[in-house]
Amino acid sequence: DQQVKQNSPSLSVQEGRISILNCDYTNSMFDYFLWYKKYPAEGPTFLISISSIKDKNEDGRFTVFLNKSAKHLSLHIVPSQPGDSAVYFCAARINTNAGKSTFGDGTTLTVKP
Amino acid sequence: EAQVTQNPRYLITVTGKKLTVTCSQNMNHEYMSWYRQDPGLGLRQIYYSMNVEVTDKGDVPEGYKVSRKEKRNFPLILESPSPNQTSLYFCASSPIGAYSNQPQHFGDGTRLSIL
Repeated sequence: DQQVKQNSPSLSVQEGRISILNCDYTNSMFDYFLWYKKYPAEGPTFLISISSIKDKNEDGRFTVFLNKSAKHLSLHIVPSQPGDSAVYFCAARINTNAGKSTFGDGTTLTVKP
Repeated sequence: EAQVTQNPRYLITVTGKKLTVTCSQNMNHEYMSWYRQDPGLGLRQIYYSMNVEVTDKGDVPEGYKVSRKEKRNFPLILESPSPNQTSLYFCASSPIGAYSNQPQHFGDGTRLSIL
């Protein structure tokens, strides 16, 4: 039972346009969500996060939106740059369940110049 | 430089030959964790540790052991590796475990091939 799903394995956008990466979850107990970015031959690096008490968090070009009723979150990148080309993982956890993190499959974003 | 260091980065070995993948962090983090990444399955958590001498199973612990004798080190042990443990492994750490909502810092990965 995959509790965190990223249904789009890949996404291609033009430089300067908006990239929207989606993530769905099934466990309503999840109360903290994170996005990580991963380049080839490197480990994932933290990008942005959001607590379930919020519906939006913004950091520069990156904004994460959370829709709790739909159990859906999305990462918006505006404007997209070629350096954003990477695999993006969505992760979720329950703060009272110490230590466990659940990741999605990842979405490969390609930003074309 | 703050980092999580995994060794080896690549290893090809044979079924049944015990191996250890080391993980060390220099950030004094309490929390450490191991993941494996497989195509179409994302990152799956193997084991995690909230602090020295405290370890717990993740979602896919079968066939793995861990230990946390020191704060900085969290080795992953495959006592009798099998081909289905061929994967890309990541170690991660963060301060004060999940309660603090701190993101994890990941190592660069260890690619294991079990023949």
